[in-house]
Amino acid sequence: GDSVTQMEGPVTLSEEAFLTINCTYTATGYPSLFWYVQYPGEGLQLLLKATKADDKGSNKGFEATYRKETTSFHLEKGSVQVSDSAVYFCALSDPTNAGKSTFGDGTTLTVKP
Amino acid sequence: NAGVTQTPKFQVLKTGQSMTLQCAQDMNHEYMSWYRQDPGMGLRLIHYSVGAGITDQGEVPNGYNVSRSTTEDFPLRLLSAAPSQTSVYFCASKTVGTENSPLHFGNGTRLTVT
Repeated sequence: GDSVTQMEGPVTLSEEAFLTINCTYTATGYPSLFWYVQYPGEGLQLLLKATKADDKGSNKGFEATYRKETTSFHLEKGSVQVSDSAVYFCALSDPTNAGKSTFGDGTTLTVKP
Repeated sequence: NAGVTQTPKFQVLKTGQSMTLQCAQDMNHEYMSWYRQDPGMGLRLIHYSVGAGITDQGEVPNGYNVSRSTTEDFPLRLLSAAPSQTSVYFCASKTVGTENSPLHFGNGTRLTVT
């Protein structure tokens, strides 16, 4: 079945540091890949997505590239801010599996001033 | 700009009690789903629906029932609550037909079963 493996957290960084959160996946089909972000007390919201190999999703300074050869979708940001503190989830949507979404366990990021 | 609305936000139940978690969306999304979020376990799919009158089981369906009588609403019923059902529950919806549609989430219901 489908699965998503995320880098274990929590991750603590200083403001303006470089961020990488690793994500690898297993899917029977050719999935779309997503990063969602969850702020305290809220539901998840889409951060970025990519739908085919070598696509780069980007939003709010975050980027991730769909790497089919390594089945990866690592999240990066060049300079994090305190406001980026949140839980980040990698997810896939498999068109051969009724479009159901599979999520990683989430990575908690804390950015200190 | 309502999006996905979940009620209640918080609920405390005693073991054996029943209740319904409500979910409504105003985006005309065909697909709706329920997840539970537990520490260190990410989000696990409970039930989902691809349209009115159609429901199916997800990864962890035991102890939960759903129905989908309208496009807008997708309630989740706990028939006899157990402490293992203490969790945060999220309803999410999306369009179907394009596999790259993202899920839209409600703000969650935090349930405690004592």
